[in-house]
Amino acid sequence: EPEVTQTPSHQVTQMGQEVILRCVPISNHLYFYWYRQILGQKVEFLVSFYNNEISEKSEIFDDQFSVERPDGSNFTLKIRSTKLEDSAMYFCASRQGRANEKLFFGSGTQLSVL
Amino acid sequence: AQSVTQPDIHITVSEGASLELRCNYSYGATPYLFWYVQSPGQGLQLLLKYFSGDTLVQGIKGFEAEFKRSQSSFNLRKPSVHWSDAAEYFCAVGAYNTDKLIFGTGTRLQVFP
Repeated sequence: EPEVTQTPSHQVTQMGQEVILRCVPISNHLYFYWYRQILGQKVEFLVSFYNNEISEKSEIFDDQFSVERPDGSNFTLKIRSTKLEDSAMYFCASRQGRANEKLFFGSGTQLSVL
Repeated sequence: AQSVTQPDIHITVSEGASLELRCNYSYGATPYLFWYVQSPGQGLQLLLKYFSGDTLVQGIKGFEAEFKRSQSSFNLRKPSVHWSDAAEYFCAVGAYNTDKLIFGTGTRLQVFP
């Protein structure tokens, strides 16, 4: 089965630093997503991205967050100035079509903000 | 408010026993319903989904789920659990007009030999 690839698997950063989480979605997919899971809490939607723009975002996705598809294969999540509460597992996902298509998730990047 | 409730945080069963994981949802629109499984160090893998039609849906790995609109439930079942089924299971709800999935808090399944 095709896979969504996320790098790195673990990232440790200092509070206030910028981090970029990287994802390689499945090659023929058109819809891209970031979700996160704070330890012991629910998996939460952050943002969806289609046709090179954000199509939907949650209230969590404030000005500190941005997404980009810089080269047609990678899909990145940038956090400009990390806070302690940004520590979480971040999942990238992609889908070929809209809501009735299977959503493929990556294995996640564990972000620890110290 | 839109929400998904998985009342069981942790379930332990013996290998070969039957399994039912509960999921209740609250959603304004006609829901799309999903069950995902997460093994340690892995991403979320789709087990099955319901959009419309037959309310009993079959998924991978021998799992099935039944949509009951009157009870706002979408419980996951398996007649005979294998040790490899030990994992975290997440119920999620979405809709045709949104990209956003709302997840429950998950149920951790432990399987004893």
